[in-house]
Amino acid sequence: LAKTTQPISMDSYEGQEVNITCSHNNIATNDYITWYQQFPSQGPRFIIQGYKTKVTNEVASLFIPADRKSSTLSLPRVSLSDTAVYYCLVAPGSGYSTLTFGKGTMLLVSP
Amino acid sequence: GAVVSQHPSWVICKSGTSVKIECRSLDFQATTMFWYRQFPKQSLMLMATSNEGSKATYEQGVEKDKFLINHASLTLSTLTVTSAHPEDSSFYICSARDPQGAYEQYFGPGTRLTVT
Repeated sequence: LAKTTQPISMDSYEGQEVNITCSHNNIATNDYITWYQQFPSQGPRFIIQGYKTKVTNEVASLFIPADRKSSTLSLPRVSLSDTAVYYCLVAPGSGYSTLTFGKGTMLLVSP
Repeated sequence: GAVVSQHPSWVICKSGTSVKIECRSLDFQATTMFWYRQFPKQSLMLMATSNEGSKATYEQGVEKDKFLINHASLTLSTLTVTSAHPEDSSFYICSARDPQGAYEQYFGPGTRLTVT
């Protein structure tokens, strides 16, 4: 499974856009990139998934360059409730593959 | 989206006793479920893959005789921590994929186990 590297922590303020970049140099051709959000004492929550270029949903955007060796999760206008740990995962797109969680990025949003 | 539940949400047990944790897919059938363990301020660690109607597949270093997994139906997987010890205290989380959905896995809310 492709290993991912992301910043341990990030700080932001309410209303700002936050971009969290994840490196996955060894991504395979059939791998998808998925981001999860986790609050303390809760299970991870799916945010967004993509294969290439750009994906956008109601909560975030995911930017993936052509070489797919990295990806950036973009959270527009964050609020205090976006304070959480964000995990970037790379795995085959079947959904039945085991997921390997890295250390994640602890995002702290301040007033 | 698909919903995965866990029961109980938290449990306290005495050392040496066994504890069963249930994971249910509420609105879909899951042939495969996954069990994770998460210690404080650490990431999720995959413990095992639970397959309906067959034996679970355990990750390296996870004792299959200590962490018993049963996936008897398409909506229920159970994890039993046998002869629990304080070092088994952790946050246990399950996940499942909705075959009718996209590729993401849905996670349960987790179960906090404290062994005294």
